[in-house]
Amino acid sequence: EDQVTQSPEALRLQEGESSSLNCSYTVSGLRGLFWYRQDPGKGPEFLFTLYSAGEEKEKERLKATLTKKESFLHITAPKPEDSATYLCAVRGMDSNYQLIWGAGTKLIIKP
Amino acid sequence: NAGVTQTPKFQVLKTGQSMTLQCAQDMNHEYMSWYRQDPGMGLRLIHYSVGAGITDQGEVPNGYNVSRSTTEDFPLRLLSAAPSQTSVYFCASSRQGASNQPQHFGDGTRLSIL
Repeated sequence: EDQVTQSPEALRLQEGESSSLNCSYTVSGLRGLFWYRQDPGKGPEFLFTLYSAGEEKEKERLKATLTKKESFLHITAPKPEDSATYLCAVRGMDSNYQLIWGAGTKLIIKP
Repeated sequence: NAGVTQTPKFQVLKTGQSMTLQCAQDMNHEYMSWYRQDPGMGLRLIHYSVGAGITDQGEVPNGYNVSRSTTEDFPLRLLSAAPSQTSVYFCASSRQGASNQPQHFGDGTRLSIL
């Protein structure tokens, strides 16, 4: 059964304190791994798509990396505006249309 | 630039009532979908559509109906509301469903069933 587990559930950091969020996945052949950001009261907003182990993508203070079993979202010198819930999702080879989503990591950056 | 628009933003229903959650997109996307988001759980797919006139069931379709008469609109109907359907509902669209095109989400409908 395809599964996505995100950890930690919540993470509190001081402004400027770098850290990483984890997304572990089990899927029968990976077609794509996705990271989204969700602000309170809003829908998820797309950040990155990763396709194969070793791939990395960056956007401002965020960098996503991918291995055969997990993905990390690295946050470098975060600012309070980076506070949000970060969601991970995967698409497996057996699924044309359905994404399997993790429950998310709630990130709080204190000034 | 509206993107995906969901209405209403909030709704309270009594058990047994029916209602329709509206979703419209102005990006000419082929693929549209409905998710529910519950605390401590990932988004779960309810129904999806790969184009006008074509719909299919997702992971948790029971108690919900959909139709897609136009490219732009994808309403979700609750047939007889139950407390277990209390959730936040998100509509999403993308250019192609079976590709890795990013999904664009609306801001959700927060639904409470008493």
